Amino acid sequence: EAQVTQNPRYLITVTGKKLTVTCSQNMNHEYMSWYRQDPGLGLRQIYYSMNVEVTDKGDVPEGYKVSRKEKRNFPLILESPSPNQTSLYFCASAVPRDNEQFFGPGTRLTVL
Amino acid sequence: GDSVTQMEGPVTLSEEAFLTINCTYTATGYPSLFWYVQYPGEGLQLLLKATKADDKGSNKGFEATYRKETTSFHLEKGSVQVSDSAVYFCALSGDNYGQNFVFGPGTRLSVLP
Repeated sequence: EAQVTQNPRYLITVTGKKLTVTCSQNMNHEYMSWYRQDPGLGLRQIYYSMNVEVTDKGDVPEGYKVSRKEKRNFPLILESPSPNQTSLYFCASAVPRDNEQFFGPGTRLTVL
Repeated sequence: GDSVTQMEGPVTLSEEAFLTINCTYTATGYPSLFWYVQYPGEGLQLLLKATKADDKGSNKGFEATYRKETTSFHLEKGSVQVSDSAVYFCALSGDNYGQNFVFGPGTRLSVLP
């Protein structure tokens, strides 16, 4: 089954404790992206990657890192999480220029 | 920069009622336009899309027409069902794909039996 998977689905952590949210897709898509969803703000893009070893900032990259060492994986790293990073996070993948993004199920992160 | 505005709701309708969710956009060039749907506890799914002016996207009884003159992409359905209860997002993808994929704030729809 073609899908985007994220882990963990739920995470409660404390300020300053480094964490990684994994994202993996099995569709051989070149393009992957991370978004955060907050009430009243819709989805805002954090980082995206057009291909392996190619990443770039979206609209709200501060406090986040990403890497793209393999085509299928695009982890989101929070080196020192803060409470304002409490949010619902979505990973997505696509074939560039195909204009349809496939979304993962989401990761709900709470930073205390 | 590019932006998308949509009615935030919540919108509450009775089953079989007519649905319109307004969406307008600001963008340079010729963006592609999308409606995504998010069911409770799930990620977003593409509902329909249109890639050029006057195109009509349609799926599952939903329709939206790309109106460049009014910079709009309103979502409509003639008869909603309880199963349509979800959050609907209007979005655009600008000329430079990936660098400006912009979502609206989402509209929560509740359909009552």
